[in-house]
Amino acid sequence: GAGVSQSPSNKVTEKGKDVELRCDPISGHTALYWYRQSLGQGLEFLIYFQGNSAPDKSGLPSDRFSAERTGGSVSTLTIQRTQQEDSAVYLCASGLTGGLVDTQYFGPGTRLTVL
Amino acid sequence: DQQVKQNSPSLSVQEGRISILNCDYTNSMFDYFLWYKKYPAEGPTFLISISSIKDKNEDGRFTVFLNKSAKHLSLHIVPSQPGDSAVYFCAASESGAQKLVFGQGTRLTINP
Repeated sequence: GAGVSQSPSNKVTEKGKDVELRCDPISGHTALYWYRQSLGQGLEFLIYFQGNSAPDKSGLPSDRFSAERTGGSVSTLTIQRTQQEDSAVYLCASGLTGGLVDTQYFGPGTRLTVL
Repeated sequence: DQQVKQNSPSLSVQEGRISILNCDYTNSMFDYFLWYKKYPAEGPTFLISISSIKDKNEDGRFTVFLNKSAKHLSLHIVPSQPGDSAVYFCAASESGAQKLVFGQGTRLTINP
């Protein structure tokens, strides 16, 4: 079956512009996560959606970052007024249940470059 | 603060030998640990995990060891194969918090 897909695969933008990154999780997965990986760093948690519960936004680095998940499926991560330090690979993952031992399946990521 | 640390950014091992990747953590609340493998231009893929109630978990050529007192875990790959060349991430989580906390990764290169 299809895995997690993300679009675009690459995005180059100018400082100050807004960007939207899209994630299509595996069908039937109730949990959805966003992470980012900056150069030379590990993956950094951003936000977690589980079913109809309020999302865990504890990892969002600033109020310029927001995410939504429509209809319990597709998710969009929006970065407003992008800064150069936002340059990173943004990874989305989905999980069947979101429980502690639930495996997270990652998409290929979106490489964001802010000039 | 870096709660999960992989102090070796790279490791080179000869094909057929054992690869040992190390990971240290600081948060004593972590009770579930995972290893992910990542090839270039792909997302990380789950490799193996271990619960804090165990000290060893084995899956084929891959074994993960957990030393809770030292807050240390390691991944052993034996025998190493060229297809094992990738970046390996250690990750941890705690009950009630679904997010994973990742280390910086170790790039493993298997030489023929």
